[in-house]
Amino acid sequence: ETGVTQSPTHLIKTRGQQVTLRCSSQSGHNTVSWYQQALGQGPQFIFQYYREEENGRGNFPPRFSGLQFPNYSSELNVNALELDDSALYLCASSLGGGSDNEQFFGPGTRLTVL
Amino acid sequence: GNSVTQMEGPVTLSEEAFLTINCTYTATGYPSLFWYVQYPGEGLQLLLKATKADDKGSNKGFEATYRKETTSFHLEKGSVQVSDSAVYFCALSDRGFGNEKLTFGTGTRLTIIP
Repeated sequence: ETGVTQSPTHLIKTRGQQVTLRCSSQSGHNTVSWYQQALGQGPQFIFQYYREEENGRGNFPPRFSGLQFPNYSSELNVNALELDDSALYLCASSLGGGSDNEQFFGPGTRLTVL
Repeated sequence: GNSVTQMEGPVTLSEEAFLTINCTYTATGYPSLFWYVQYPGEGLQLLLKATKADDKGSNKGFEATYRKETTSFHLEKGSVQVSDSAVYFCALSDRGFGNEKLTFGTGTRLTIIP
């Protein structure tokens, strides 16, 4: 069984650019959540996708957007990058619907904005 | 809104010492509580959880008890090992479901010296 994978591992962008981060969910999982983890902080919830629909959003501006595909993999897009967007971006997959199912996290993508 | 407050680190202990990492929370309703661990270069892994008051979660020698009266979920281990060195995050989920939005504390870095 393949776990959650994310790509790329590291990324360097300049302010104002756009970035796309990718996540492949664990086999059998239909829900993907994205989190932003700034240096020295805990992860902050960005949004969640369940069966290709957004299913909850945290306190992030609209320039953070996402997609979930029919195979339940997901993308996080960030437009007009700002210096404060520099962080580790984590995705987590789970079996969805309101349930007690565990979220499994990927290793993250480290984004640096210069 | 919901929040989690963790004991600030870093924490350095000798092997076989007793460990306590404090965690308190603020939440409406009946959250579930979690401890996640992050090893260097890896994603978050669920260490243990508790879904209702007085529940005790346990795994790999770690324990934490859901105390509603003190809104706490302190992590303990009787005898730590070098392999326990990692960053530990306390978290809660709003409606008690493990696969929904998680609110994390800032993390506590633990280093165990031989």
